[in-house]
Amino acid sequence: QQQVKQSPQSLIVQKGGISIINCAYENTAFDYFPWYQQFPGKGPALLIAIRPDVSEKKEGRFTISFNKSAKQFSLHIMDSQPGDSATYFCAASPAMGTGRRALTFGSGTRLQVQP
Amino acid sequence: DGGITQSPKYLFRKEGQNVTLSCEQNLNHDAMYWYRQDPGQGLRLIYYSQIVNDFQKGDIAEGYSVSREKKESFPLTVTSAQKNPTAFYLCASSGVGSSYEQYFGPGTRLTVT
Repeated sequence: QQQVKQSPQSLIVQKGGISIINCAYENTAFDYFPWYQQFPGKGPALLIAIRPDVSEKKEGRFTISFNKSAKQFSLHIMDSQPGDSATYFCAASPAMGTGRRALTFGSGTRLQVQP
Repeated sequence: DGGITQSPKYLFRKEGQNVTLSCEQNLNHDAMYWYRQDPGQGLRLIYYSQIVNDFQKGDIAEGYSVSREKKESFPLTVTSAQKNPTAFYLCASSGVGSSYEQYFGPGTRLTVT
């Protein structure tokens, strides 16, 4: 129940295209869903996050879509750039008082944006 | 300059030796975490601490130990009992309460031969 399943494992997109990464979860106590971006040899950096009370959140070229009934959420990167080439992780955490207050991470997606 | 510092960036040890990884934060965060990252895998939780002098085991705590004597510091000891210690270790911190946002340090790459 703690698992977060992420797909695809790797993704190649042309410059200017849309990158889409999907995650699914089982634990209905999860109520915070962040996405992290990690460059080789660096720590993950928080990119964007969503709570279940909204179905979509947009920040610049990055959008999270959230489907509570399907227990799925996805990251869309519009106008993908070579500088977006990195590994992306989805994660989830339960609400206060409902479980372990720590993030459960997906397995990661290595994105390569070709110029 | 606020943030999370981990030292050293690279660490080499012989098999059978204990080694302690440092993590310090000046974000005034109450909660701190240790994760392990292996190639092609996500981050797995080793230990976490919501408050000083208290910590809980994560999913892969065997072979590791921690202490939380100060709010700013959460050192991780990789003991000789950890069967496969070579990995990238990441420390993170977050505020407690309404703030869920978790911030990561730059990581320590540990190689045990």
